[in-house]
Amino acid sequence: SQQGEEDPQALSIQEGENATMNCSYKTSINNLQWYRQNSGRGLVHLILIRSNEREKHSGRLRVTLDTSKKSSSLLITASRAADTASYFCATPGGGGGGNKLTFGTGTQLKVEL
Amino acid sequence: KAGVTQTPRYLIKTRGQQVTLSCSPISGHRSVSWYQQTPGQGLQFLFEYFSETQRNKGNFPGRFSGRQFSNSRSEMNVSTLELGDSALYLCASSYSTGGNAGGPGETQYFGPGTRLLVL
Repeated sequence: SQQGEEDPQALSIQEGENATMNCSYKTSINNLQWYRQNSGRGLVHLILIRSNEREKHSGRLRVTLDTSKKSSSLLITASRAADTASYFCATPGGGGGGNKLTFGTGTQLKVEL
Repeated sequence: KAGVTQTPRYLIKTRGQQVTLSCSPISGHRSVSWYQQTPGQGLQFLFEYFSETQRNKGNFPGRFSGRQFSNSRSEMNVSTLELGDSALYLCASSYSTGGNAGGPGETQYFGPGTRLLVL
């Protein structure tokens, strides 16, 4: 089952614009991660934000986490065509411990020239 | 360091057959997890292995099984294939410090996936 819901499901923007994706989850978490997937290939880890952090930056990426609302957002600034991909949030746990990640439904981002 | 590798990359099988997929983790990583990705169900966790032991398991039927070898390489097997098993199977590795409960969810490094088509 999906832990998180992401919106929008699809997003189309022009190169140079900012892209914002949102993720909501259901249970308490230790951290939340964002991954990118290019055209049905493997996932690439983008950023991990811990439950005691509210905001984190990595290059053109900015992630926020609101544990009271059980939501996170990923902002990509100054988008490039190469950012075209699907973006997933992922949360740990869901029972059993270990390294199980539960992924959201994903946002398909298309950046047009 | 070399990344996570998966073999084969593409596979076509018929219903009722069985299949074995292989995953070699990043050197030094002891945890290997497997995920199934389909358009309808999205990314779903299959199981995780750590130090040759299954540490966690998702909600998949017993036809799906796996194992891990002493060098941390992992295989997953699907027996009696069904049409619905057509999917992208992703393997991920992480450097894990062990423990059976309350894992924090470490960063995982994914392989390129094996695309399985069942006819």
